[in-house]
Amino acid sequence: DIQMTQSPSSLSASVGDRVTITCRASQSIGTYLNWYQQKPGKAPKFLIYAASTLQSGVPSRFSGGGSGTDFTLTISSLQREDFATYYCQQSYSTLMYTFGQGTKVEIK
Amino acid sequence: EVQLLESGGGLVQPGGSLRLSCAASGFTFSSYAMTWVRQAPGKGLEWVSAVTGSDGITYYADSVKGRFTISRDNSKNTLYLQMNSLRVEDTAVYYCAKYGGVAGFDYWGQGTLVTVSS
Repeated sequence: DIQMTQSPSSLSASVGDRVTITCRASQSIGTYLNWYQQKPGKAPKFLIYAASTLQSGVPSRFSGGGSGTDFTLTISSLQREDFATYYCQQSYSTLMYTFGQGTKVEIK
Repeated sequence: EVQLLESGGGLVQPGGSLRLSCAASGFTFSSYAMTWVRQAPGKGLEWVSAVTGSDGITYYADSVKGRFTISRDNSKNTLYLQMNSLRVEDTAVYYCAKYGGVAGFDYWGQGTLVTVSS
């Protein structure tokens, strides 16, 4: 099974800050990497697929990068509505798309 | 508009059974693989099970293999999860979601809470 590890587990940041979250896969997954945002009590929201392609409607301040085993999610200027938990997910294994443990972005 | 609506959650004793349903609308249900993802209280997302669109091939996480069964009825646009031999650690919100090809899960339901407790 492919294991996904995110860092950090949580971070504190201020509105306007640039924030980067890292995700590492236990084996090479090419660019089969997705990102989700989840707010308390809500279902996850699909943000980015294929490592760097923004889902329709996602603000351009979000960006993704990486390939192989190392990936990043960057928020260029953090907005109040971006405070949430973010999950990476590999989509390399046939239909068995596992998640990282999550990164909680909190207000400083 | 794509909609996914889960039902069937509730309180069950350890060792008991429960069947979740997910009613889908707004897309050609039989053309897409579907999945169940769960989230224990205060924890992260855990992929549970998946089923392909038309031929019904199934996949399971090791944590539920042999206890849970995923199925679908394409004539009713409904996804199911039969959960047997439930354990306290199965307590979670269970979400159904639609696969967007290799691009992850593009639509999610609102979730249904399963509580396993004596």
